[in-house]
Amino acid sequence: ELKVEQNPLFLSMQEGKNYTIYCNYSTTSDRLYWYRQDPGKSLESLFVLLSNGAVKQEGRLMASLDTKARLSTLHITAAVHDLSATYFCAVVSYTGANSKLTFGKGITLSVRP
Amino acid sequence: DGGITQSPKYLFRKEGQNVTLSCEQNLNHDAMYWYRQDPGQGLRLIYYSQIVNDFQKGDIAEGYSVSREKKESFPLTVTSAQKNPTAFYLCASSILAATGLAGAQETQYFGPGTRLLVL
Repeated sequence: ELKVEQNPLFLSMQEGKNYTIYCNYSTTSDRLYWYRQDPGKSLESLFVLLSNGAVKQEGRLMASLDTKARLSTLHITAAVHDLSATYFCAVVSYTGANSKLTFGKGITLSVRP
Repeated sequence: DGGITQSPKYLFRKEGQNVTLSCEQNLNHDAMYWYRQDPGQGLRLIYYSQIVNDFQKGDIAEGYSVSREKKESFPLTVTSAQKNPTAFYLCASSILAATGLAGAQETQYFGPGTRLLVL
């Protein structure tokens, strides 16, 4: 059974500083997603990572994937208040001709002045 | 505008009552999914469907039922057998990937969610 772990579960960040959060998973997969959720809202897609060494960047966020280590990182550059949210990673697994996502529990980021 | 709609936004259930949550998409996506989110938790998969008239149980299907009679619609019924239904329910849809493993999906896009509360 695929397990997806995120750590830390909560991170208080200081504005302007850099941080990295982690997502690791237990079995081989060919796709990993990062999503953002604001309080009381739905999920917004951030990145999809498809291959070993894949790197995607959007603004102050950069995601990377190491399939051999079964690890994805999300790097935050010069944190700003707008990045305060919960970030989920999700990993694809397959059963026959069907696929599904397994989500981690999420990492809540809070940016303070 | 293309998108995923869920209704109602809030739903109240009385003990012993079945309730149905609506999910509609006009994105022409093949696959649709239902998740449950409890406070401070990640999403857990209830049911999913990759083609019309076919669906699979997810990790927590007990006490729930679904149908997929049309490509655009994937309603979820929370039955009286679900003893702890209070949660935030999210519907998602995706296209199936043209390349890669069979059944591989592209990015899932989520609806705005329905909050279910027990009276």
